[in-house]
Amino acid sequence: EVLLVESGGGLVQPGGSLRLSCEASGFTFSTSWMSWVRQAPGKGLEWVANIKEDGTVKNHVDSVKGRFTISRDNTRSSLFLQMNSLRADDTAVYYCARDRSWGATDYWGQGTLVTVSS
Amino acid sequence: QSVLTQPPSVSGAPGQRVTISCTGSSSNIGTSSYVHWYQQLPGTAPKLLIFDINNRPSGVPDRFSGSKSATSASLAITGLQAEDEADYYCQSHDSSLNSYVFGTGTKVTVL
Repeated sequence: EVLLVESGGGLVQPGGSLRLSCEASGFTFSTSWMSWVRQAPGKGLEWVANIKEDGTVKNHVDSVKGRFTISRDNTRSSLFLQMNSLRADDTAVYYCARDRSWGATDYWGQGTLVTVSS
Repeated sequence: QSVLTQPPSVSGAPGQRVTISCTGSSSNIGTSSYVHWYQQLPGTAPKLLIFDINNRPSGVPDRFSGSKSATSASLAITGLQAEDEADYYCQSHDSSLNSYVFGTGTKVTVL
């Protein structure tokens, strides 16, 4: 059974930092592109970032460039999202997902809520 | 705002056919073979329904089908069922933004 379990969400003040983690099991993590997708409360989906199997290629949406960094540890089958300089409009549920090909994400975690507020 | 536009809502009676449009541009749908569709039931993570314009992952009923014409894509649901009531999103890659983009989302209501 494929499982993606996110953790690390919570309440943070504007300008603060958080590190999200996603632990994967049930598939070969080291040969899969991985993505983060977020969804603000009551809003639609927004692709945030993705990372190549070996971690050598990383892409981020313009709105988070310079503030968020995606990374991975294939020895621990884990995906990360380091979020710095957080803003109120970063408030969302963040999903970890496997990219089967060209953005088509076929496995999703349950999501972790990040709330940026003073 | 999203570069892929979908109607906010569509509805149909059980058994009917409904279609959801996804309108983009030459920098995304118009030049991409990678158009995907997702279903999101209330309170759950999205589920991949269609990938690469018209392919279904294992386990997705053939009531769901996708197509593309020029700078627009469509998702069709035939034999509409109560369990199909959900939000649906299209997705593509945008070469100008160098980013994946999702559509604005469509809520399907079964009357």
